[in-house]
Amino acid sequence: NAGVMQNPRHLVRRRGQEARLRCSPVKGHSHVYWYRQLPEEGLKFMVYLQKENIIDESGMPKERFSAEFPKEGPSILRIQQVVRGDSAAYFCASSQPGATQYFGPGTRLLVL
Amino acid sequence: ILNVEQSPQSLHVQEGDSTNFTCSFPSSNFYALHWYRWETAKSPEALFVMTLNGDEKKKGRISATLNTKEGYSYLYIKGSQPEDSATYLCASWATSGTYKYIFGTGTRLKVLA
Repeated sequence: NAGVMQNPRHLVRRRGQEARLRCSPVKGHSHVYWYRQLPEEGLKFMVYLQKENIIDESGMPKERFSAEFPKEGPSILRIQQVVRGDSAAYFCASSQPGATQYFGPGTRLLVL
Repeated sequence: ILNVEQSPQSLHVQEGDSTNFTCSFPSSNFYALHWYRWETAKSPEALFVMTLNGDEKKKGRISATLNTKEGYSYLYIKGSQPEDSATYLCASWATSGTYKYIFGTGTRLKVLA
């Protein structure tokens, strides 16, 4: 009975590189959410996806950030040309429509 | 502006004390209110799902109430223990046309032994 899986758990990148964060939802969950936790702050919503559809990306920076949830495979949060300010914990959650969310363990991104 | 607010931001209590904190959410077009417990270095875990006005849910020493007409929920912890130390988050589906899932900023609880 696997919960939400995220990998990698820790990711170190140099400024200008790309970061790819993966999230496999709970089996049967069709909704995926990405959140960012900056140091000393709470959860900030980034994007909400269903299979092959972005439902709400109002919390995601317009540049350098993109997310997808393909028909097959995990959801991917992609950050291009990372900067130091992107260093944060990125949490993925999944749910059935309207239900509570199950969170993954997070990916801690450190940009040097 | 859709907003979910929690108070207080942080709280220190002595072991054995009972405590409570508040979550305020948009009351119009209410759908559901969720409480989560988030321990340091872990990920949030769901505590309660609350949908009906007057709902009261209980899990051990922790309970929650819901008032959808005025848009608030209380979380109570009876006889706090050090292991209750965590951030308690509430989240609500709220709409200004399309539904959004909005987290409050959380109440950080520290129980002192």
